[in-house]
Amino acid sequence: QLQLQESGPGLLKPSETLSLTCSVSGGSISSSNYYWGWVRQPPGKGLEWIGNIYYSGTTYYNPSLKSRVTMSADTSDIQFSLKLSSLTAADTAVYYCARVIRGYDSRGYYQGGAFDIWGQGTMVTVSS
Amino acid sequence: QSALTQPASVSGSPGQSITISCTGTSSDIGGYKYVSWYQQHPGKAPKLMIYEVSNRPSGVSNRFSGSKSGNTASLTISGLQAEDEADYYCSSYTSGTTWVFGGGTKLTVL
Repeated sequence: QLQLQESGPGLLKPSETLSLTCSVSGGSISSSNYYWGWVRQPPGKGLEWIGNIYYSGTTYYNPSLKSRVTMSADTSDIQFSLKLSSLTAADTAVYYCARVIRGYDSRGYYQGGAFDIWGQGTMVTVSS
Repeated sequence: QSALTQPASVSGSPGQSITISCTGTSSDIGGYKYVSWYQQHPGKAPKLMIYEVSNRPSGVSNRFSGSKSGNTASLTISGLQAEDEADYYCSSYTSGTTWVFGGGTKLTVL
């Protein structure tokens, strides 16, 4: 049974860079069937997609966060990471990592996907 | 990239059916079959309930069903149960290889 676990600092100051790691147990990230993603949720608000990464390192980011986001896949194949720079209070949220099961288009090519397994989430607060 | 539009809240009595709508554009819901729905109980991680518009993952009750018409997707829950009370989010793949979520709908079981 694949499980995901986020880890990282819970409190950061404005302008600092957030670094989170998602550890995968019960499997690896080296599969063509999946992306690996990050989603966040500010307190009392909805979900916001941050980005996805393929095990080869190809990344897809939310256009509104793209200038501040970097995702990477560890060569150990059992973890992937998120960096978010120039933090402000608006980045305060629960950050989730998730597996994205890829879909297929009508020609049989990979396309799209759904977030089928989630970590428990980690709260990150940005405050001076 | 704008969030998909969902009603803020819906409610129903046990045993009844409810439908939650999710409206997007031709660049997301209307253009692709990759619409998914998530259930989130307070303090918990989201759980995938529907993927590719109408498919249920293994273990999800058949009381949950999904559909799509044009730029609007819908989640229907039949035979409402107290345990269905939660927040529900839709999501869609979009052009440009990105994903977008809806603002969420709070379901209250009366």
